[in-house]
Order: sequence, then structure tokens, then C-alpha cells
Amino acid sequence: GDSVTQMEGPVTLSEEAFLTINCTYTATGYPSLFWYVQYPGEGLQLLLKATKADDKGSNKGFEATYRKETTSFHLEKGSVQVSDSAVYFCALSDPPGGSYIPTFGRGTSLIVHP
Amino acid sequence: NAGVTQTPKFQVLKTGQSMTLQCAQDMNHEYMSWYRQDPGMGLRLIHYSVGAGITDQGEVPNGYNVSRSTTEDFPLRLLSAAPSQTSVYFCASSPDERSYNEQFFGPGTRLTVL
Repeated sequence: GDSVTQMEGPVTLSEEAFLTINCTYTATGYPSLFWYVQYPGEGLQLLLKATKADDKGSNKGFEATYRKETTSFHLEKGSVQVSDSAVYFCALSDPPGGSYIPTFGRGTSLIVHP
Repeated sequence: NAGVTQTPKFQVLKTGQSMTLQCAQDMNHEYMSWYRQDPGMGLRLIHYSVGAGITDQGEVPNGYNVSRSTTEDFPLRLLSAAPSQTSVYFCASSPDERSYNEQFFGPGTRLTVL
């Protein structure tokens, strides 16, 4: 079945450092890929998405490129801020061979120090 | 639009008690779902619905019931609470089942079962 694997956290960085959070996936078809962010005490919200190979999703300075050849969707940001401290979830949705119901990774906690 | 709303925000139950977690959305979304979030486990799907009158089980349905009598509401019922159901519960909605659609999450209900 479909699955998403994320790097374990927490990831601890200083402000203005470069961020990479790795995400790889297993899917039967051609999935859509997503990154969601969860700020403390809140629900998840969509950060960015890509629906086909080589697409790049971007939002709020974050980027991720859909790499079919490596089945990856790594999240990057060039210069993190304290306000980026949150838990980040990679997810996929994979109809019709798989399921349209999203499959989420376990989440990666990011802590950014001033 | 209020988006996805959940009540209550916090709840403490004793083992064996019953309760209903409320979820409502005002975006006319067809698809709604319930997840539980536990440390180190990410999000796990409990039940979902693709429209009024239609529900189905997710990954961890045991101990929970749902119904979908209207498009707007999707309550989650715990018939006899157990300590293993201590968790944070999130309701989510999406316009329909298309793979590229964003999931909109509520703020969550933190449940403790003693």
C-alpha cells in the first residue's frame, strides 16, 4: 500500500539557517504530494502541493519538488525564522490505483532558535 | 466562512463514559474525515465520509461511531471511553475526493480518558 516516510525530528536550527526535511513515498500510481504544517495548539494547514512529476510547490519561502525518479518530495527553505517552528507533515493521495484518502507521514518537528 | 469547527476543545472523561465530538464545516465540502494524533504516530484515520448518508472505516475505527446526516456535520461518538482513546482528535474536510484537493483541518479536540 501507499506510505510516506519522513526524517525523524526534532530538527533544531538557528535563525537564518537552511532547512531540509526529507520525505520519500511509496505509491501504486501517480500520486499528488503535499506538505502540511501544524503550529503549536492548532490543526494542520496546507503549506504547498505538487500534482505531477517535476512540479515545484512553493509557499512562504518553502519549496518542494516532486521527483518521481527518486520518489521524493523534500521540503526546503533558504533561511528559517523562529516563527517557522512547527511540525511538518508530508502526505500523498493516490487514486485510482491507490486511494484518494490522504496518507500522512509521522511528522517532523522543527525548532528554530533566535 | 468559519471553515471547520470542532467542539469541545478539551474534554476529560472517565473510563466507560460516552461522549460525542462535534465537527461542522460551512464550505459545502463533500468529503469529511476524523483523525487521531498521538506522539510518534502521526495522523491516523478513524472514519471518513464522501457525502451525506455515506460513511466508511479508516485505519483505526474500533471504539468509534460516526454518522453523516447532513453535508455540514460529522460527529464522532465514543460509546464507552477507554484510556487508549486519550489523544488529540482532528476533523478535516475537502471539496470532494479528487487527489489534489487540500484538506481543511479543524483546531482539534484534546481528550483525556482517566
